[in-house]
Amino acid sequence: ETGVTQTPRHLVMGMTNKKSLKCEQHLGHNAMYWYKQSAKKPLELMFVYNFKEQTENNSVPSRFSPECPNSSHLFLHLHTLQPEDSALYLCASGGTSRSYEQYFGPGTRLTVT
Amino acid sequence: GIQVEQSPPDLILQEGANSTLRCNFSDSVNNLQWFHQNPWGQLINLFYIPSGTKQNGRLSATTVATERYSLLYISSSQTTDSGVYFCAGFTGRRALTFGSGTRLQVQP
Repeated sequence: ETGVTQTPRHLVMGMTNKKSLKCEQHLGHNAMYWYKQSAKKPLELMFVYNFKEQTENNSVPSRFSPECPNSSHLFLHLHTLQPEDSALYLCASGGTSRSYEQYFGPGTRLTVT
Repeated sequence: GIQVEQSPPDLILQEGANSTLRCNFSDSVNNLQWFHQNPWGQLINLFYIPSGTKQNGRLSATTVATERYSLLYISSSQTTDSGVYFCAGFTGRRALTFGSGTRLQVQP
């Protein structure tokens, strides 16, 4: 499989649940990203990982916890979320010696009840 | 951080018409990408265009980095072109800052 994949594609969770989103890239990129797209708001950056090291946390609440075990995999661990966290969560990868172009996965549509 | 403004916010076209979407940046960007978001939320890469002009079929894009804007041209639009078009600039944080998008509806 090529490109950027995300699982699950849809997730419904209660406020007391713990769940994880998974992202995998097969493009040989150096960096991986989590973005959030809420209704009627621009896509906003959450986290950046370069060579497995977190280089950016865009003031994200601690109920979102990222993990990057290697340069091909990225997780977003979710716990005690709020209904306003319902959104489309997009993973991206990018960065080679020649280009900064980013490629996005299909997203996980999260609903918090 | 930089601000990204896209115009127009909404656009309705008849099939076959041409259109121009614009993206303005408040500061210099090292990278500029155009995306099409389909109804299922997938962001599809259209162009990676830090400067100059590129063409891909009915789509073309031009970025004038010194004047901090980029244009996306859609010619002979089709109903499958409908969706939201985003431009995004790559900042010193090594991540993309997105505009609010242009929602395009192409009617048959």
